[in-house]
Amino acid sequence: QAVVTQEPSLTVSPGGTVTLTCGSSTGPVTSDHYPYWFQQKPGQAPRTLIHDISNKHSWTPARFSGSLLGGKAALTLSGAQPEDEAEYYCLLSYSGAWVFGGGTTLTVL
Amino acid sequence: EVQLVESGGGLIQPGGSLRLSCAASGFTVSTSYMIWVRQAPGKGLEWVSMIYRDGSTFYADSVKGRFTISRDNSKNTLHLQLNNLRGEDTAVYYCMRGGGYWGQGTLVTVSS
Repeated sequence: QAVVTQEPSLTVSPGGTVTLTCGSSTGPVTSDHYPYWFQQKPGQAPRTLIHDISNKHSWTPARFSGSLLGGKAALTLSGAQPEDEAEYYCLLSYSGAWVFGGGTTLTVL
Repeated sequence: EVQLVESGGGLIQPGGSLRLSCAASGFTVSTSYMIWVRQAPGKGLEWVSMIYRDGSTFYADSVKGRFTISRDNSKNTLHLQLNNLRGEDTAVYYCMRGGGYWGQGTLVTVSS
């Protein structure tokens, strides 16, 4: 089974920019992996920020964007807010099976 | 508006069975791929199972042979049958629709 890798933790200053990445042990992440990005705060269900690399939902703040970068899926937060402090997970598809990354704890400090 | 409501969780002894349900509204379950995800206490998200629009199903190795995903088109509901439950199956179970719509989750606790 593939392993999906995320940074365990990142810190960003309020108003700053940070990029979270999502890599695959099988090789470059491509559109065939249909990358998702989720945000989860303590005690809450996950919330989808991005699906299919870069597609946003109506509830996704404009400061979040998704892309493919250097063979990985990437989630960029531009203009971090205190409420963005949370756990972030990516999810990749492997022809039917899906694998989550271990999550990135994002601190806004 | 897309809504997903899970039910069926509870306390169950090791070796027991449960059936989880995910009632959908605002869309038809047979026209989207549907996923079950779980989260053990204090742990990350784990993909459990998936059913495609064509009815094909896939499972994580950790649950293969014990869990079965299905859908009831007449009730627009997704199910997950959990058999031979183990302590490590203790988790909040979420259903998710393709595109990233989540339910609120249902807690399964496996303990004697």
